[in-house]
Amino acid sequence: EVYLVESGGNLVQPGRSLRLSCAGSGFTFDDYAMHWVRQAPGKGLEWLSGISWSGGSLGYADSLKGRFTISRDNAKHLLYLQMNSLRPDDTALYYCARSQTSSGWSGGFDHWGQGALVTVSS
Amino acid sequence: AFQLTQSPSSLSASIGDSVTIACRAGQGISSSVAWYQQKPGTPPKLLIYHTSTLETGVPSRFSGSGSGTDFTLTISGLQPEDFATYYCQQFYGHLSTFGQGTRLDIK
Repeated sequence: EVYLVESGGNLVQPGRSLRLSCAGSGFTFDDYAMHWVRQAPGKGLEWLSGISWSGGSLGYADSLKGRFTISRDNAKHLLYLQMNSLRPDDTALYYCARSQTSSGWSGGFDHWGQGALVTVSS
Repeated sequence: AFQLTQSPSSLSASIGDSVTIACRAGQGISSSVAWYQQKPGTPPKLLIYHTSTLETGVPSRFSGSGSGTDFTLTISGLQPEDFATYYCQQFYGHLSTFGQGTRLDIK
C-alpha cells in the first residue's frame, strides 16, 4: 500500500524558514513525480510546486515569488519543501501528493499524505 | 497566471438527484482536467483524470466530460457519501492550478 507521510510542520515566526519532508513508501519512489499542495483553514486547495521523477523538471506557483524550493532524495524516498521568508498567509495544512506520471505534468494526483500543519505567527 | 473557475460554488441536492459541476479554464490551456472529492478532515481523493477516465475504485455514478475551456463533473444518483467538496485541476506546462471548489450539501 502507498503511504505518504509529511513531517516538519510547526509554529514559526514571520520571516523565518521551515523545511517540510514527505516520506514515501509502498511504491517505487523514483518512478513518480511529486507535488506539494496546501490548504489554508477553511479554504480551497492551492497547488504550490511539483518535481519530476529525476528532479530535472520543476514548477512553482507564481504566488510563491521564489520563496519556496522543492527537492527530492530518491535514495531516501524523501520529498522536501524549503520555505523561506514565511508570512502569516502561509499558514495552512501542507500536503504532499504523488503524480500518476513520472513527468508530473498531466493526469492527476492519485495518493496524498495527511498533511503537515504550518502556522506562521508572532 | 492561468485560472480555473468552478460553478456553482455551492449547491444543495437530495439523495438520488443528479448534479453537474462546471469548470472553465481562462483559455484552452490543456486538453484535460482532473476532479477530486474532499471530505472534512481528510485529504482530497482523485475521482477522474484526463477529463473522463474514472480512477480505480470510483463508482460509475461519477462521470466527467468536456474539452477546450469547458469541463463538467456529473454525479448521477447521489448517495449519502457523495456530500463533500469537489475540485477541478488542470496543468499548463510546468504549472498546475485548482478550481476554487464546489460544496455539495444535502437538501
